[in-house]
Amino acid sequence: GAGVSQSPSNKVTEKGKDVELRCDPISGHTALYWYRQSLGQGLEFLIYFQGNSAPDKSGLPSDRFSAERTGGSVSTLTIQRTQQEDSAVYLCASSLGGFGANVLTFGAGSRLTVL
Amino acid sequence: GQQLNQSPQSMFIQEGEDVSMNCTSSSIFNTWLWYKQDPGEGPVLLIALYKAGELTSNGRLTAQFGITRKDSFLNISASIPSDVGIYFCGKGAQKLVFGQGTRLTINP
Repeated sequence: GAGVSQSPSNKVTEKGKDVELRCDPISGHTALYWYRQSLGQGLEFLIYFQGNSAPDKSGLPSDRFSAERTGGSVSTLTIQRTQQEDSAVYLCASSLGGFGANVLTFGAGSRLTVL
Repeated sequence: GQQLNQSPQSMFIQEGEDVSMNCTSSSIFNTWLWYKQDPGEGPVLLIALYKAGELTSNGRLTAQFGITRKDSFLNISASIPSDVGIYFCGKGAQKLVFGQGTRLTINP
């Protein structure tokens, strides 16, 4: 597509429920990233994919968080048993591999509110 | 945790003023990037720096990659209302790490 698409744009859930956030990267971009932005805070790295593989999962806050990418395209970030501290904007970005790997194009984000 | 220290955290200026913000790191990297985030949007790349000492301009924006490869600054000249937003520095290759951001507010 023309840009990085994320869905849902807003999600309100109850504590303890599971949520799935979806990212559709730019066609042809081999690298895909997930970041978390809490209110008024910076961008916290969660995980990145090169193709379907995730070389670095070190940013995932706990084992309640997981992510997968299939077909080198769409990625899903899953948060199980959500907690109130999970409330944040979850940003997805994609980039070309190689030299352009760090020139990221971001989506508009999925705002998660856990009640 | 964050490896980048970005300052100032916030700035309140008058329209037309020049702006300067910087970013420092405890380690050396080969790339510095500056992004801007408008309210409700994802960050957008402003300038990418790939060489120590490199000075790059993009319109009213100028950024430099420090000689020590541990710092970078971003200047905005003659600020206008649409410059409002959060500016992030970032570094790294596959794992791109960002600073905490500088929030710019402009009084008309």
